[in-house]
Amino acid sequence: NAGVTQTPKFQVLKTGQSMTLQCAQDMNHNSMYWYRQDPGMGLRLIYYSASEGTTDKGEVPNGYNVSRLNKREFSLRLESAAPSQTSVYFCAGRQGTTYEQYFGPGTRLTVT
Amino acid sequence: AQRVTQPEKLLSVFKGAPVELKCNYSYSGSPELFWYVQYSRQRLQLLLRHISRESIKGFTADLNKGETSFHLKKPFAQEEDSAMYYCALKRGGNTPLVFGKGTRLSVIA
Repeated sequence: NAGVTQTPKFQVLKTGQSMTLQCAQDMNHNSMYWYRQDPGMGLRLIYYSASEGTTDKGEVPNGYNVSRLNKREFSLRLESAAPSQTSVYFCAGRQGTTYEQYFGPGTRLTVT
Repeated sequence: AQRVTQPEKLLSVFKGAPVELKCNYSYSGSPELFWYVQYSRQRLQLLLRHISRESIKGFTADLNKGETSFHLKKPFAQEEDSAMYYCALKRGGNTPLVFGKGTRLSVIA
């Protein structure tokens, strides 16, 4: 039981490059989330998927897109990376309306 | 609007001293509050939730609806308590948790 996994763990991009952050869970979560964590800003919700086939914007969606590929996988895409997107990205999952969110280990992204 | 406020970005205490991490919330409905913790280079994990009213690793938190607060307390801090702590609010239905900006606790030996 791997829980919530994320790939890659680290990534360095040049401004304008694109990439996809991958998240997968084997905990039968209906809901999945992408957050970014920045010093002094805490955790900010980028996008979330309340159920398979649905996605919704969070607090800071600009510059990102998401895909809920199936129940297990929820990917985050940066089409044209900017230095302001340098951050640590966390994926999380939750089963229905139960309260505990399980987090992945994070992806540390640097955009130069 | 729903909001979670953690007024301290950084809290430093000496080992053995009491700790209180503050959390205030604004929500018109019936709130469920949680504390999450992130130790160095680890993922965020649930520390405790107000519904269970339990003590985890010596930490407790009481929901005070009158003061709209959910402060995290521990009578005697340990070095291993050094971490980032996030207060979170669950609204009704299948909606995302609302997180505060976090407080970094540093316990000094």
